[in-house]
Amino acid sequence: AQSVSQHNHHVILSEAASLELGCNYSYGGTVNLFWYVQYPGQHLQLLLKYFSGDPLVKGIKGFEAEFIKSKFSFNLRKPSVQWSDTAEYFCAVNTGGFKTIFGAGTRLFVKA
Amino acid sequence: EAGVVQSPRYKIIEKKQPVAFWCNPISGHNTLYWYLQNLGQGPELLIRYENEEAVDDSQLPKDRFSAERLKGVDSTLKIQPAELGDSAVYLCASSLGRNNEQFFGPGTRLTVL
Repeated sequence: AQSVSQHNHHVILSEAASLELGCNYSYGGTVNLFWYVQYPGQHLQLLLKYFSGDPLVKGIKGFEAEFIKSKFSFNLRKPSVQWSDTAEYFCAVNTGGFKTIFGAGTRLFVKA
Repeated sequence: EAGVVQSPRYKIIEKKQPVAFWCNPISGHNTLYWYLQNLGQGPELLIRYENEEAVDDSQLPKDRFSAERLKGVDSTLKIQPAELGDSAVYLCASSLGRNNEQFFGPGTRLTVL
């Protein structure tokens, strides 16, 4: 069955630290990839997406993600986190335009 | 542009009672999704509509859950009767097309006592 794995359920960082959140999926076909974020008290919103082309995609608020097809991965990165990045981050994979599967999420807490 | 609207935001009911959730998607979005989100997990698809047609309802527990999307706009998700295990957040999302980014509503937090 298709699945999406997010390796870290909870991450705690200090401000200015670098962030990398892992995401791996199991599906051999064409995929569209997404990272969504849910800030405290707010609803899920798109952070960035990859459909095709340059595998390094940039999103809002300084986030970027790299699609490595051979590793079935789409890791999220930010060189320097801020307290306002405290949120829950979800990786999502759309398989061939049909089902979108979400990972379990990673809760990031950034210490001021 | 108005976002996805859901109501109610919170609902507390006793088991075996019915409950209904309503969703108004972003204007022009033909694809509408209902998701279930349990604590500590990501959203899980219950049903996906393209216009008024339910094109993926394989994960919808049809013995107690039902959904409709009249005229391809608003949608209602119903549970009858509710069970304790149905306590969760029910999310509605919409998109332009089935493989595009989804816009989520605030969700309805259901508590079944």
